[in-house]
Amino acid sequence: DGGITQSPKYLFRKEGQNVTLSCEQNLNHDAMYWYRQDPGQGLRLIYYSQIVNDFQKGDIAEGYSVSREKKESFPLTVTSAQKNPTAFYLCASSTVGTGRNEQFFGPGTRLTVL
Amino acid sequence: GESVGLHLPTLSVQEGDNSIINCAYSNSASDYFIWYKQESGKGPQFIIDIRSNMDKRQGQRVTVLLNKTVKHLSLQIAATQPGDSAVYFCAEIRDTGRRALTFGSGTRLQVQP
Repeated sequence: DGGITQSPKYLFRKEGQNVTLSCEQNLNHDAMYWYRQDPGQGLRLIYYSQIVNDFQKGDIAEGYSVSREKKESFPLTVTSAQKNPTAFYLCASSTVGTGRNEQFFGPGTRLTVL
Repeated sequence: GESVGLHLPTLSVQEGDNSIINCAYSNSASDYFIWYKQESGKGPQFIIDIRSNMDKRQGQRVTVLLNKTVKHLSLQIAATQPGDSAVYFCAEIRDTGRRALTFGSGTRLQVQP
């Protein structure tokens, strides 16, 4: 089956720890994205990558880091510099091209800081 | 900053009725507007999109209307079913530059049996 997987589904972190969220896709998509969702709110863009070995900051990149060493993978690290990391994190991927707007989302990772 | 937003946080309808979910946007430079459905604890699912030079687009049981004069977008769901209960987001995207979605805050649709 083609799709996007995220792991883990639930993640607990102590204050001061860095954690890495996994995102893998087998859709052969060039572009991948990380969004953050807070309760009762829409999604906000953290980072995005339109090609391997390249990525760009989104609207709320502070306290986060990413890498894109492989086309299939786009891991997100939540660092201790992120002041309020408790949220639902969603990864997405898409083809790159005018008029192609469908972004496919993974099931999400719910991060809780203890 | 420019944003995409929604008028109503919660919409309750009877099963079988038609639903209309509204969205106001402020970025007139957007090329596409998209509706997503998100069920509890899951990632958003694409429903339908509309290009900025169109007024209306129909899908299966859904219709999206775009009024550029007042910067208003709506999603109409015909014969609403219990499975339609979810949070609905509108989003916008441009063809050039950063091709990432900008989302509104969402409307929760509750379908009463």
